[in-house]
Amino acid sequence: AQKVTQAQTEISVVEKEDVTLDCVYETRDTTYYLFWYKQPPSGELVFLIRRNSFDEQNEISGRYSWNFQKSTSSFNFTITASQVVDSAVYFCALSGTDTGRRALTFGSGTRLQVQP
Amino acid sequence: EAQVTQNPRYLITVTGKKLTVTCSQNMNHEYMSWYRQDPGLGLRQIYYSMNVEVTDKGDVPEGYKVSRKEKRNFPLILESPSPNQTSLYFCASSLGASGRADEQFFGPGTRLTVL
Repeated sequence: AQKVTQAQTEISVVEKEDVTLDCVYETRDTTYYLFWYKQPPSGELVFLIRRNSFDEQNEISGRYSWNFQKSTSSFNFTITASQVVDSAVYFCALSGTDTGRRALTFGSGTRLQVQP
Repeated sequence: EAQVTQNPRYLITVTGKKLTVTCSQNMNHEYMSWYRQDPGLGLRQIYYSMNVEVTDKGDVPEGYKVSRKEKRNFPLILESPSPNQTSLYFCASSLGASGRADEQFFGPGTRLTVL
């Protein structure tokens, strides 16, 4: 069975602070994919990134960066110089090699509040 | 514009009154899926479809039905809704190439309240 744990239920920071959202996963698959989604207050889900299990390179996209460490089964997400618009719930998700179901196993989410 | 649409966006109903939530995508995706989102639980898959006339259960299928008669549409049917089906529902679609975990495109969500 797959599992994704986002231990931080809620984080509050002040604008311009850096913040890291933790994600720890469990899977028996050797090939798998990890995702991050953002859910702003309006409710829609916004895709942020997908990484496969063979690519452990860290990725940076503007103020966003992701640290994938297979050794610790973690896929952490860092926002540098946070802004009020970053306030949202962030979900980490895992997809295994059951290519039929292709279900995403989601963590419970981390609510990020960025105060001005 | 490539998108997944859901209707209605908000629905308040009563126990036992059959309802359908529609989902439609314009990206010619083979794969479509329904999730429900509940506080503290993240999103959980209800049903999925790999192509027309091919559907199967996800993690929490009880109380739901789906159909896939056309590639673009994947309605979610609640034959006899109960209060524990009060939730935020998302439809998703992806390209569906075998062996790939493609990005899943999510609809805007349907907030359902069953009284």
